Amino acid sequence: ELKVEQNPLFLSMQEGKNYTIYCNYSTTSDRLYWYRQDPGKSLESLFVLLSNGAVKQEGRLMASLDTKARLSTLHITAAVHDLSATYFCAVDPTLSGGSNYKLTFGKGTLLTVNP
Amino acid sequence: DTEVTQTPKHLVMGMTNKKSLKCEQHMGHRAMYWYKQKAKKPPELMFVYSYEKLSINESVPSRFSPECPNSSLLNLHLHALQPEDSALYLCASSQEGVGANVLTFGAGSRLTVL
Repeated sequence: ELKVEQNPLFLSMQEGKNYTIYCNYSTTSDRLYWYRQDPGKSLESLFVLLSNGAVKQEGRLMASLDTKARLSTLHITAAVHDLSATYFCAVDPTLSGGSNYKLTFGKGTLLTVNP
Repeated sequence: DTEVTQTPKHLVMGMTNKKSLKCEQHMGHRAMYWYKQKAKKPPELMFVYSYEKLSINESVPSRFSPECPNSSLLNLHLHALQPEDSALYLCASSQEGVGANVLTFGAGSRLTVL
C-alpha cells in the first residue's frame, strides 16, 4: 500500500522567512502533484512533477522531485501572508505510461504566515 | 472553459431524504471523480468514471450512487445518509491518456446530514 507522508503538518512562519515542506512516499513513482487548498475552498493544482530531478517554480514557491529518494520538496521563499493555506502533495503510483486514477494524498501541511 | 462546476454549494438533508449533487465540465476531460473530504483531512477518493463507465468504486456504501449521464456530467445520488456522511464533496476531472493526470477540482458541495 502506498504511503505518503508530509511534514511538517503544521507550519507557522513569519513573513519574509524561507521554509521547506517535505513529502516522502513509499513506492516507485515518477508522478507527483502539489495542490493548495484555502480554508473552506477547493483544491488548486500548483505543480506537476513528472521525472527525477524535475523542478518547477511559480512565484515564491518551488517544487522538486527526487524519485530515487522518493522525496519531493516544496520550498517557500520570503513568505507572504497570501501563501497561508493547506498544501497537499499527491502521488500517482503508476509509472509514466498510464494511470490508475488513484492519487494518494498526504495529510496536508497547514501553513500560516504571520506578519 | 477551464472550470468544474458543482451544484448545490450547500445542502442540508435529513436521514430519510433523497437528494443529488451535480457536476459539470466542458474541458473535454474523459475521467471524472467524486472525492469526499472531512475537515482538516485530505480528500478521499469515492468513484472514478472513465469514458462514462464506472472505473473505480472505493467500497463506498450503497447510499451513495454515482451516475455519469454523458461525458460532461457527473451526478452523485444520496439516499438514507448518516450524520457522519456530512462532509465537503468534491468533483474533479482529468484528461485521459498517457502523461500527467492533473485533476481540476470543482468548488465542492458542502453536505450536512441532520
